[in-house]
Amino acid sequence: EDKVVQSPLSLVVHEGDTVTLNCSYEVTNFRSLLWYKQEKKAPTFLFMLTSSGIEKKSGRLSSILDKKELFSILNITATQTGDSAIYLCAVAPAQKLVFGQGTRLTINP
Amino acid sequence: DTAVSQTPKYLVTQMGNDKSIKCEQNLGHDTMYWYKQDSKKFLKIMFSYNNKELIINETVPNRFSPKSPDKAHLNLHINSLELGDSAVYFCASSQDLRGRGTGELFFGEGSRLTVL
Repeated sequence: EDKVVQSPLSLVVHEGDTVTLNCSYEVTNFRSLLWYKQEKKAPTFLFMLTSSGIEKKSGRLSSILDKKELFSILNITATQTGDSAIYLCAVAPAQKLVFGQGTRLTINP
Repeated sequence: DTAVSQTPKYLVTQMGNDKSIKCEQNLGHDTMYWYKQDSKKFLKIMFSYNNKELIINETVPNRFSPKSPDKAHLNLHINSLELGDSAVYFCASSQDLRGRGTGELFFGEGSRLTVL
């Protein structure tokens, strides 16, 4: 059965800290790995990764995929209170996205 | 102008009732989905349609019946509601070939269903 596991499940840090969120997966027919941010309502797209070792960057957020070790990390530097959210990792095997359980990130001022 | 919109946003109903949630997307996407998010925030796919054709039907009780009148709409009807059906239901769409889910999903804002 396809499986996506995120860690930690919950993380509380101070504003300005750097955080690393982890996502490991076991899927057949891997196509891509996606990161989403969910605040109060709909998850919003952050990154899609298909190739190993190529970092994707958007402002203070960056992500990288290791297809040999079957994991991805999401880094957030100089965190702000607006980064508080649930971060979801999802993997696309054939035909659907399989989501992890999410990491709830809280940034304290 | 909302890309993926679903109604109602909140639904409170009694056990045993039948209810529907509607979803519409104006992105011109071929594929639409229903996901269920439980109290632990775990998002799990229920159904996927590509151009009105059912592609994915996960292990969902047959009290749940999706209907896609056209590729821009995907509705979810639930019969004989049970307490365990309480969750947030998200509609999503993507521009995928045959619903393969390789690309970005655009989510609606969710419909919070509470069954009493």
